[in-house]
Amino acid sequence: AQSVTQLGSHVSVSEGALVLLRCNYSSSVPPYLFWYVQYPNQGLQLLLKYTSAATLVKGINGFEAEFKKSETSFHLTKPSAHMSDAAEYFCAVSEGFQKLVFGTGTRLLVSP
Amino acid sequence: DGGITQSPKYLFRKEGQNVTLSCEQNLNHDAMYWYRQDPGQGLRLIYYSQIVNDFQKGDIAEGYSVSREKKESFPLTVTSAQKNPTAFYLCASSTLGNEQFFGPGTRLTVL
Repeated sequence: AQSVTQLGSHVSVSEGALVLLRCNYSSSVPPYLFWYVQYPNQGLQLLLKYTSAATLVKGINGFEAEFKKSETSFHLTKPSAHMSDAAEYFCAVSEGFQKLVFGTGTRLLVSP
Repeated sequence: DGGITQSPKYLFRKEGQNVTLSCEQNLNHDAMYWYRQDPGQGLRLIYYSQIVNDFQKGDIAEGYSVSREKKESFPLTVTSAQKNPTAFYLCASSTLGNEQFFGPGTRLTVL
């Protein structure tokens, strides 16, 4: 069965600092992996996706993630945090794009 | 504008009542999904449908029902059998083999 673990329910950074949100997955077949962002009382917006092409995936708003099969990880990074990045971030895994399995989410707090 | 709409944004229900949440998409997507979101638990799949007039149970289908009579619409009914229905409900859609797009959500509160 597929599963996703997001380490840290809350991550705090200063504006301009590196953002690192961790995601580890479990899958019996080569996975498809996703990062979504959610602002308060809104739906989810796709940040980026990994579909077995390039292991370093670039997304919107300056975010990127690297697929590391040996570590079963897909961590999300951004070199310099902006106040507008404050939101909740979800990592998800699927086999063939159907039936996404989500992690429990990480809330990113950005301080001035 | 193409997208997914959910209505209402906020919904209040008395215990013992059934309520129906609306989800409409004009993206011409074949597949549609319903998720439930609770604090600290991420999103959990309730039902999904890959074609009209067909749908499958997700991980937490008990106490919920759906229909898919039209490609654009996938309403979710929260029945009185659902023990703890207070949550944020998200609808999503996709073309088969591609990523899911989400609606803005409906927050259901049981009084």
